[in-house]
Amino acid sequence: GAGVSQSPRYKVAKRGQDVALRCDPISGHVSLFWYQQALGQGPEFLTYFQNEAQLDKSGLPSDRFFAERPEGSVSTLKIQRTQQEDSAVYLCASSLVRDYEQYFGPGTRLTVT
Amino acid sequence: GESVGLHLPTLSVQEGDNSIINCAYSNSASDYFIWYKQESGKGPQFIIDIRSNMDKRQGQRVTVLLNKTVKHLSLQIAATQPGDSAVYFCAALGEYGNKLVFGAGTILRVKS
Repeated sequence: GAGVSQSPRYKVAKRGQDVALRCDPISGHVSLFWYQQALGQGPEFLTYFQNEAQLDKSGLPSDRFFAERPEGSVSTLKIQRTQQEDSAVYLCASSLVRDYEQYFGPGTRLTVT
Repeated sequence: GESVGLHLPTLSVQEGDNSIINCAYSNSASDYFIWYKQESGKGPQFIIDIRSNMDKRQGQRVTVLLNKTVKHLSLQIAATQPGDSAVYFCAALGEYGNKLVFGAGTILRVKS
């Protein structure tokens, strides 16, 4: 594909439900990043993969958040037992290598009711 | 912790005028900076970047200036157009090169 794609674009979950958000990075991009963007704020880092290795998960807000990239391409961000404070846009970005520009997907808007 | 912040949350300019958006960063170890444009319902879109060994970089209608002494960067947009209306974020790459630290954003409104 031409860019980073994410699915679903919108997700409504009842409090306590588990959700899974998918990211398809640009083909060949080694680095993949997840960010959380609250309304009216800049994106905040969650976690980073280099190929299939999760090298930094310091931004994950709690152990309810889990990310994986088992084959070094598609990544899934899973949130267990969702809470209202998890409501945000979840952005995925990829870059060719670590220190280069990151290309963002359109995001998944998660609303927890 | 490190932070990146913006001086002006909202900027209104007349079509055709030049726009300047400012940003301050706190981590002196950052060596790579990016400006992103984000339209409603979309992800951030890369505009221009600059590395710390430069103090100016120009693109098409955009210029980024970096002042490492005062840890400040700015984005200049020449001949601002209605299509430039969006939220603009500056971002600094963390010292380990693995994550971007974003500012809160500046809303640019272009009046026709």
